[in-house]
Amino acid sequence: DVKVTQSSRYLVKRTGEKVFLECVQDMDHENMFWYRQDPGLGLRLIYFSYDVKMKEKGDIPEGYSVSREKKERFSLILESASTNQTSMYLCASSLLGWEGGNSPLHFGNGTRLTVT
Amino acid sequence: GNSVTQMEGPVTLSEEAFLTINCTYTATGYPSLFWYVQYPGEGLQLLLKATKADDKGSNKGFEATYRKETTSFHLEKGSVQVSDSAVYFCALPPDSGGYQKVTFGIGTKLQVIP
Repeated sequence: DVKVTQSSRYLVKRTGEKVFLECVQDMDHENMFWYRQDPGLGLRLIYFSYDVKMKEKGDIPEGYSVSREKKERFSLILESASTNQTSMYLCASSLLGWEGGNSPLHFGNGTRLTVT
Repeated sequence: GNSVTQMEGPVTLSEEAFLTINCTYTATGYPSLFWYVQYPGEGLQLLLKATKADDKGSNKGFEATYRKETTSFHLEKGSVQVSDSAVYFCALPPDSGGYQKVTFGIGTKLQVIP
């Protein structure tokens, strides 16, 4: 089974801190994604990556950056955390390509981030 | 672009009741269709999928039929259990433009009471 592991289940950070959320997948998937999930808003894509060192903005990239130095690892960075970034963050991976578009996303269990 | 419409809920049912969660979509062509489920405290996982019109996807007692005439993919289960309490997401895969973005519905929360 594909495993997507997010390093923290819960994080509490202060406004202005730099925050790193880490995600590792073990199935050699090309695509990796970061979503945030908020009540009433569903899932919103922040960034995704289709290859090492490649990244593409999703729907809500403002205030975030990402890093993909190795194929299995995709990091989400909050350069200066703000209270409106309090949310559940979900990492996912999938196979690349149009055929991969018909393959499912595999999600981690999420990191619940609270910014105070 | 692609879009998915589903009710947000919550939907509250008694154990052994019949479940329907509606999903309608807008897309170019006839994409595969997915249902994902998110159990409390977990990420999403694929529940079932259908790859072409009139296909029926099924898993864990849940079923959904790909209806191209009504552009729908409603999720059904004949007898729900407390363990089915979760959030259910209807989803479309990325379109053929190459942008690897899945389109999710807003998610329907199901609560099953004993």
